[in-house]
Amino acid sequence: AQSVTQPDIHITVSEGASLELRCNYSYGATPYLFWYVQSPGQGLQLLLKYFSGDTLVQGIKGFEAEFKRSQSSFNLRKPSVHWSDAAEYFCAVGSGYSTLTFGKGTMLLVSP
Amino acid sequence: DVKVTQSSRYLVKRTGEKVFLECVQDMDHENMFWYRQDPGLGLRLIYFSYDVKMKEKGDIPEGYSVSREKKERFSLILESASTNQTSMYLCASSLSGATGNSPLHFGNGTRLTVT
Repeated sequence: AQSVTQPDIHITVSEGASLELRCNYSYGATPYLFWYVQSPGQGLQLLLKYFSGDTLVQGIKGFEAEFKRSQSSFNLRKPSVHWSDAAEYFCAVGSGYSTLTFGKGTMLLVSP
Repeated sequence: DVKVTQSSRYLVKRTGEKVFLECVQDMDHENMFWYRQDPGLGLRLIYFSYDVKMKEKGDIPEGYSVSREKKERFSLILESASTNQTSMYLCASSLSGATGNSPLHFGNGTRLTVT
C-alpha cells in the first residue's frame, strides 16, 4: 500500500527566507506526486504535480518541487517566503490503480 | 474556472439525526470524492464515485453512505449522526480516468458539529 510521510508538523520561517517542506512516500512503482495548499477556512488548492519527465517541477505562487527516486522524496521549495504563504501544505501520492493518499500536513508559520 | 460547491460551510446537528452533505461540480468531471479532515490525521477518504450511480468505499466508510444520481452532484449521508463524526468534510472532483493520477479540485469544506 502507498503511504506519505510529512515529518514536520509545524515549520516557522522568517518572511523573505527560503523554505523547504519535506515529503517522503512509499510506493512500489513510479508514483504520481502532488502538493496542495490549504489556507484557513478554505479547501485545498493544487500547487504542482509530478507525473514523469523532468524531476524538477514548477508550480503556482513561485513554488517548485524535486522528485528524487533514490530518496523516495518530493520536497517542496520556495526561495523567498511571503506572509501570504502561511497555510497548511499537503503532499499526496497516487497511481493508476489507487486513489490519492495524503500526508498529514505541515503547517507553515511566517514570522515578520 | 473549475468550481466545486458544498452547500453548507457550517452545520450543527444533534446526535441521531440524519445528515445530508451536498456537493456540486460544474466541470463535467467523472470522479467525485468525499474526504474527512481532522487535526493531526490529515485527509481520509470516506467514499468516491467514478460514474453516476457508482460508488466505492474509501478508507473510513463506516457510518456513512453516498448517493450519486446525477454526474454533477455527490451527496454524503450520515444515517445517524454521532459526536465522533464532528469534523471538516471536503468534497473533491477530478477528470475521468484513474482516480489516483488526476489532480483533485476541492470545495471549501463543510464544518459539521454533532452535539
